[in-house]
Amino acid sequence: AQSVTQPDIHITVSEGASLELRCNYSYGATPYLFWYVQSPGQGLQLLLKYFSGDTLVQGIKGFEAEFKRSQSSFNLRKPSVHWSDAAEYFCAVCLGGSARQLTFGSGTQLTVLP
Amino acid sequence: NAGVTQTPKFQVLKTGQSMTLQCAQDMNHEYMSWYRQDPGMGLRLIHYSVGAGITDQGEVPNGYNVSRSTTEDFPLRLLSAAPSQTSVYFCASSYSGVSGNTIYFGEGSWLTVV
Repeated sequence: AQSVTQPDIHITVSEGASLELRCNYSYGATPYLFWYVQSPGQGLQLLLKYFSGDTLVQGIKGFEAEFKRSQSSFNLRKPSVHWSDAAEYFCAVCLGGSARQLTFGSGTQLTVLP
Repeated sequence: NAGVTQTPKFQVLKTGQSMTLQCAQDMNHEYMSWYRQDPGMGLRLIHYSVGAGITDQGEVPNGYNVSRSTTEDFPLRLLSAAPSQTSVYFCASSYSGVSGNTIYFGEGSWLTVV
């Protein structure tokens, strides 16, 4: 069965600092990969997704993620964090084809210090 | 375009009561699903449907029923609520068939069972 691991439960960074959130997956083939963000009391917003092609994916709000097949990783990055980026971030994988079930990581809570 | 609409947003139930969480989408998506979100566990799939009249179980289906009589609607029924079903519930939809389409989420329904 596929699984997703986000090893960092909570990360704290200062505003303006760079950010990297880690995500590793376990699956026999390359799944479709997603990053979602959730602000308190809100639903999930898609930041970016990877299906194939260029392994560096650009998303909204200045985020990017890099797929590394050799490491089964899909880490999320941002060069300069803003206070409004404080939220919970979820990595998710999805089987391709007609399946649409997402398997989520347990999430990383991001705190941004002024 | 309303996207994915969930109602109610907040609900308090007594143990043993039944209720239905409503989910509707106006994007003509074939695929719809329900997830629950619990602290430290990310989102887990409850039930899903690949089209009208077709439903199947996800990772945590016990205590929940679904039906899909129309493309637009995918209600989730709690048959006899238990405190363990206190959670945040998210409905999602996407196109099926073509790989890699975006999965859209509703804003969530916060359910407390006392």
